[in-house]
Amino acid sequence: KQEVTQIPAALSVPEGENLVLNCSFTDSAIYNLQWFRQDPGKGLTSLLLIQSSQREQTSGRLNASLDKSSGRSTLYIAASQPGDSATYLCAVQGNTGKLIFGQGTTLQVKP
Amino acid sequence: DTAVSQTPKYLVTQMGNDKSIKCEQNLGHDTMYWYKQDSKKFLKIMFSYNNKELIINETVPNRFSPKSPDKAHLNLHINSLELGDSAVYFCASSRGAGGVDTGELFFGEGSRLTVL
Repeated sequence: KQEVTQIPAALSVPEGENLVLNCSFTDSAIYNLQWFRQDPGKGLTSLLLIQSSQREQTSGRLNASLDKSSGRSTLYIAASQPGDSATYLCAVQGNTGKLIFGQGTTLQVKP
Repeated sequence: DTAVSQTPKYLVTQMGNDKSIKCEQNLGHDTMYWYKQDSKKFLKIMFSYNNKELIINETVPNRFSPKSPDKAHLNLHINSLELGDSAVYFCASSRGAGGVDTGELFFGEGSRLTVL
């Protein structure tokens, strides 16, 4: 049974810092891994999708890496801003299409 | 123009009532999902439909019945509501139904259900 864990559960950093969010999963038989952002009371916004054949994806100040064999992914946020404050969720997808989510990392970036 | 839209956004009702949540996507996707986010913010899949056919049915009480009139719509009907049904319900869609062709999932804004 696939399990997804995100560490840390919460993180508070000053503005401008670079930071790394971690995601680990127990079953390496995945098709892709997706990082989402969720603002309070809002839906999920897709940030990056990494296919199982890829090692990383980049979008602006965000970089996500995937090491399928070790069951790990990281989301790197460069030069963090207060507007980055949100909960970040990672999710892995197996062959059925359903996503298995971690419980998220709640990020606060202080001005 | 919203890609995945759900209505209502908020729903407050009494135990024992029956309620429905509607979802529509205008992305031309073939697959739609219902996810439940509990009070601890944990997201878990409930159902998935591909071209109007049920393909994922997790261990969900049969009081929950999804209906897909066409591939752009997936509604969720809940009978005999219980206190434990209080949660945020998210609709989502994707291009494919599994494997490498599934693509990104796009989520709606959620429907917050409160059962009193």
